[in-house]
Amino acid sequence: EVQLVESGGGLVQPGGSLRLSCAASGFTLSSYEMNWVRQAPGKGLEWLSYMDSGGGPIYYADSVKGRFTISRDNAKNSLYLQMNSLRAEDTAVYYCASEAPISGSGWFDPWGQGTLVTVSS
Amino acid sequence: EIVMTQSPATLSVSPGERATLSCRASQSVSSNLAWYQQKPGQAPRLLIYGASTRATGIPARFSGSGSGTEFTLTIISLQSEDFAVYYCQQYNNWPPYTFGQGTKLEIK
Repeated sequence: EVQLVESGGGLVQPGGSLRLSCAASGFTLSSYEMNWVRQAPGKGLEWLSYMDSGGGPIYYADSVKGRFTISRDNAKNSLYLQMNSLRAEDTAVYYCASEAPISGSGWFDPWGQGTLVTVSS
Repeated sequence: EIVMTQSPATLSVSPGERATLSCRASQSVSSNLAWYQQKPGQAPRLLIYGASTRATGIPARFSGSGSGTEFTLTIISLQSEDFAVYYCQQYNNWPPYTFGQGTKLEIK
């Protein structure tokens, strides 16, 4: 079964850092274009970051550029999101999501179950 | 950045009836549009991609249509499990990928 499982969320103070992990099973994560998407409480979906399958382009939303870093460990079949300089408005459920195995597909399937990040003092 | 606007924000429909959800793009996205369903406490689930292609395992009562800037998700014969929030997403001009703000489909 193809599955993504996020971990690493929790409570962090403003200005702090957190690293989220996304472990893949049932498929080789390095062969897929991967994304992070978040959802603030009671709000809609916000795309955050993209990583190409072949070590190519990486993109970020303006809201997190310079603060968040996406990366991948092929040996661990895992995706990461390093989040620095966290703000209260970063409070959200964070999802990792794979793109379909078609180059440049652009739609997200599957999604992980999400991990909650709360930024508060 | 392409802005996606969904309407209505909330749609009240009776079980067994048809629901029609709309999504409008601020500029043409061709047919590069996806629809997702999200239930409380769950991750979004892909329903439709390419504006009209159902994802694997999605029932035939779900259909998508449109191209350019105007898109529609239609659900016929609404089942209890269909009441959820629905999002559209464009992947034509990116980054960034952009989502609509969602339509909540509730039981009338």
